[in-house]
Formats: sequence, structure tokens, C-alpha cells
Amino acid sequence: KAGVTQTPRYLIKTRGQQVTLSCSPISGHRSVSWYQQTPGQGLQFLFEYFSETQRNKGNFPGRFSGRQFSNSRSEMNVSTLELGDSALYLCASSLPLEKNTDTQYFGPGTRLTVL
Amino acid sequence: AQSVAQPEDQVNVAEGNPLTVKCTYSVSGNPYLFWYVQYPNRGLQFLLKYITGDNLVKGSYGFEAEFNKSQTSFHLKKPSALVSDSALYFCAVNQAGTALIFGKGTTLSVSS
Repeated sequence: KAGVTQTPRYLIKTRGQQVTLSCSPISGHRSVSWYQQTPGQGLQFLFEYFSETQRNKGNFPGRFSGRQFSNSRSEMNVSTLELGDSALYLCASSLPLEKNTDTQYFGPGTRLTVL
Repeated sequence: AQSVAQPEDQVNVAEGNPLTVKCTYSVSGNPYLFWYVQYPNRGLQFLLKYITGDNLVKGSYGFEAEFNKSQTSFHLKKPSALVSDSALYFCAVNQAGTALIFGKGTTLSVSS
């Protein structure tokens, strides 16, 4: 079974631009979560989508948004990019059977650099 | 609030020796705990999780973890380290149903 895929793998943008990242979950998985990884803040939860609805949200500004399509694929968007948005953005998918205990499987990430 | 602490930024072991990567947690309610590993320029790979039951959890690649409720710990262990185990290891707890809360990570370095 194919794993979680993320596109693009690398992205370079300038301040003020916006960016869209894509994630395709493991076949049959219906929940998609997004995380930001930076050297300073570590891994932080952005949001989670299930059945095309945002079910959980982390503590990030409104510039960060996402959506999920009927085939469970998900996109996240960051508007008005800031230098501090440079990070590895990770997508994870899970079935889910039980929310708390389901294993989340991660994609390889998208490395975003903001200049 | 739920949290996870990994007290060691780096752990160094010689190949063939046992390894331990430490994790302590703070949660309200039942803890659901996970270990992931990250290799350079890669995403996170799932190793194992504790939900309930046996305090010794066995996972992928020969890793295991011991859940200790009284010490609120969930240490990752392996009886015999390999050079290829060198990577960044993250402990995580599930919060609010779906959001994983991660520790800062521990870099494991295995020397030959």
C-alpha cells in the first residue's frame, strides 16, 4: 500500500506571497493532520480534517488554512508568507477508528523556504 | 495541558550496546503515547504506541518501550544498537482526540 505523499517536496517563496501544499493520504484513511516542524519550536500541530471538515485546530494564525476533498486528499494554504513560516510541513493520515489511539502515518514533508 | 518531555538532547551509544531514549509525560486522563523516528530529510516513521494493557510495548526494528504509570515515563529501548539506528527520535502524546503533542526530540548517535 502506498504511503502518504506530499507535493511539492521543496518550495521557495518570497515574503508576502502565498503557498499551497498538497497531501494524499494512505488509501482508505479519512483523517489528515498537518504539522509544522522548525528547529526552534519543534513539531507543532496545525489542524486536522476528517470527512471534509476541520475537526481540530492548533494555535496558528488565520493565515494558515486548509481543506479536504471528498477523496480525502488535503491541501493547506499559507497566505502573506513571513520569514518565520520557513519550515518542514508534515502531513499525516489515519483511519481513524478511535481518535485518541489511531496511529498517524507521516509523509516525507514539504520543505518551505521563505526569502 | 498535556505535555511530553525528552530530557536528553543527545544520546550516544556504541554499536551492540543497549540503548535507552527517555520520555516523561503529563496528561489528564489515560495517556496514549507514541514513539516516532525521523531520518534526515525524511518524514516521521511510526515505531510503537501504548494504549492500554501490557506495560512493555514491542515495535518496529527491534525497539520496545516501557510504560511506567507511577513515574509517568515511556522510555524507548533496544537491546543491541545498530549504526543505522542513528536518527532523531520523538515521543508524543495524543491530545484532544487527534492532535499529537511532541517532545523536542532526542538525537541518537550510534558509533561503530
